Amino acid sequence: GESVGLHLPTLSVQEGDNSIINCAYSNSASDYFIWYKQESGKGPQFIIDIRSNMDKRQGQRVTVLLNKTVKHLSLQIAATQPGDSAVYFCAETHHNTDKLIFGTGTRLQVFP
Amino acid sequence: EAQVTQNPRYLITVTGKKLTVTCSQNMNHEYMSWYRQDPGLGLRQIYYSMNVEVTDKGDVPEGYKVSRKEKRNFPLILESPSPNQTSLYFCASSKGQTNTEAFFGQGTRLTVV
Repeated sequence: GESVGLHLPTLSVQEGDNSIINCAYSNSASDYFIWYKQESGKGPQFIIDIRSNMDKRQGQRVTVLLNKTVKHLSLQIAATQPGDSAVYFCAETHHNTDKLIFGTGTRLQVFP
Repeated sequence: EAQVTQNPRYLITVTGKKLTVTCSQNMNHEYMSWYRQDPGLGLRQIYYSMNVEVTDKGDVPEGYKVSRKEKRNFPLILESPSPNQTSLYFCASSKGQTNTEAFFGQGTRLTVV
């Protein structure tokens, strides 16, 4: 696989447990946030997004929480599975800009 | 199948030898962009394009060029590659300029020696 994750913070969880991946974003004006999953050797894949007028959004087994007061975003994965092992990136943008700013990523490792 | 296709997947080249990494999408997306991914730095945007013949610089455009002559293609050009451009490159496309649900290619691992 690719060596892009050599210096990433790592979260290790047991299969079946819930995972919480955190992200601090930089721009208080950002109004749209996205979580991506990147498996080894692949490009990032969209997981879930949230706009700044919401503080919670749920998908299938995933929930994103947004705390604009402290500029914090989290991704919760329920009943973590081996297939969830990957690097997870948060990204932020604003409707007046065309730039998507990525965080540095967190590696999620799921062990049996 | 909806996809973004990059070529080549792997490339080793020498300093100064011009190269092009191709990117093509089949989703009729208007917005396309290029990123580089380096350890500890995440993904950084190089260039983006909102539509045909419309391109703009991202955060790290130095040493790169792009063109958008057709909606589906967005090649990345390195006129004179240098070792600090050794990186993993991703092309992405999305429906609109807010980057909603961007689709990424498989990546191009470039090594410049």
